[in-house]
Amino acid sequence: SAVISQKPSRDICQRGTSLTIQCQVDSQVTMMFWYRQQPGQSLTLIATANQGSEATYESGFVIDKFPISRPNLTFSTLTVSNMSPEDSSIYLCSVAARAEETQYFGPGTRLLVL
Amino acid sequence: GDSVTQMEGPVTLSEEAFLTINCTYTATGYPSLFWYVQYPGEGLQLLLKATKADDKGSNKGFEATYRKETTSFHLEKGSVQVSDSAVYFCALSADTGTASKLTFGTGTRLQVTL
Repeated sequence: SAVISQKPSRDICQRGTSLTIQCQVDSQVTMMFWYRQQPGQSLTLIATANQGSEATYESGFVIDKFPISRPNLTFSTLTVSNMSPEDSSIYLCSVAARAEETQYFGPGTRLLVL
Repeated sequence: GDSVTQMEGPVTLSEEAFLTINCTYTATGYPSLFWYVQYPGEGLQLLLKATKADDKGSNKGFEATYRKETTSFHLEKGSVQVSDSAVYFCALSADTGTASKLTFGTGTRLQVTL
């Protein structure tokens, strides 16, 4: 399976600010995804990061709040914009070598918004 | 839409006890089924998977069988260890043909004591 890293691993931020989370994979992958795991909850898919085009967002998530970049097949970023305490969560990226392949997850970014 | 239902936790067992964590699903088509595990302070790791009816996934002494007739994918282990203490997530991947979106259950926390 691919080796996936995320930066930062954790952060504490002030409300109203923005944080960009990076996801790096050690091999080229077709599919990259971003998930949110709110405290004590399950994972919810935010969006699919598409290489060379705009991300595909799930219901309830919008580009202005969670802009995503995917400049190549090994890297993606998720920005959490204009943060509020409700954005405190673990944000995880996942990858799949090809569509319909197994997803593997990064270690997550733990975000606390004060 | 697709959904996954897991038994409520926490599940507390003594070491060497038998483990069952129930998982049932609702989906159109023929989904793939997964168990992921999240150890304290870490991201998600794939534990096992099954891609078609009657397949049995197994890993590290855990196993689960894809039962289409009962739409279930229960996780079992014959003898748990303290190191198995974690949160276990059942998930399905919709047969969309274009992307391997995962739908997760709410997770079941397992606590194993000496």
